[in-house]
Amino acid sequence: GQNIDQPTEMTATEGAIVQINCTYQTSGFNGLFWYQQHAGEAPTFLSYNVLDGLEEKGRFSSFLSRSKGYSYLLLKELQMKDSASYLCAVWNQGGKLIFGQGTELSVKP
Amino acid sequence: KAGVTQTPRYLIKTRGQQVTLSCSPISGHRSVSWYQQTPGQGLQFLFEYFSETQRNKGNFPGRFSGRQFSNSRSEMNVSTLELGDSALYLCASSLLPSGRQNTGELFFGEGSRLTVL
Repeated sequence: GQNIDQPTEMTATEGAIVQINCTYQTSGFNGLFWYQQHAGEAPTFLSYNVLDGLEEKGRFSSFLSRSKGYSYLLLKELQMKDSASYLCAVWNQGGKLIFGQGTELSVKP
Repeated sequence: KAGVTQTPRYLIKTRGQQVTLSCSPISGHRSVSWYQQTPGQGLQFLFEYFSETQRNKGNFPGRFSGRQFSNSRSEMNVSTLELGDSALYLCASSLLPSGRQNTGELFFGEGSRLTVL
């Protein structure tokens, strides 16, 4: 089967660092994505990892370990506007994009 | 350039009716995929079209169908609506079909929120 697990909710403080984990079991692997979705809005692309290691983009970094079926999204210097749902998604061998349920992040002052 | 446009944004239907949703991709994008988003199931893949051909299909019943036109605009149709079809239906476009991209970026529309009573 295909399974992507991420925590349902997380809370963090403004200015802090938060790590959102994602583990996956899919039929094949062609890449892992992180999307951000604010309430009532469209998901927006954050990052794409296809090789092991860390990809850094400003305040956001994403890490992938294919052997462990594991990824995380790291958000630094949290801002109130980072309060959103963070979606982990994997492209499987068949070319289908499988999404996790999303992690609802609340940033508090 | 204009983003992905979905119409209608909101609609209410009753059980047994059918509905058609429309998606206009970003100009130049030839791949369109559809997703259903519900609180309980998250985002689930419905189908993907590229150059008017369905390339991939998710695990949804045959009541869910779609098509793509020569201008890359896409429609999805749900027949014999059920209460469980209430959801946000998201369309995403990309330049190339899945598996042939090197960035993985999909551009999502804001969705069509369907309520079935």
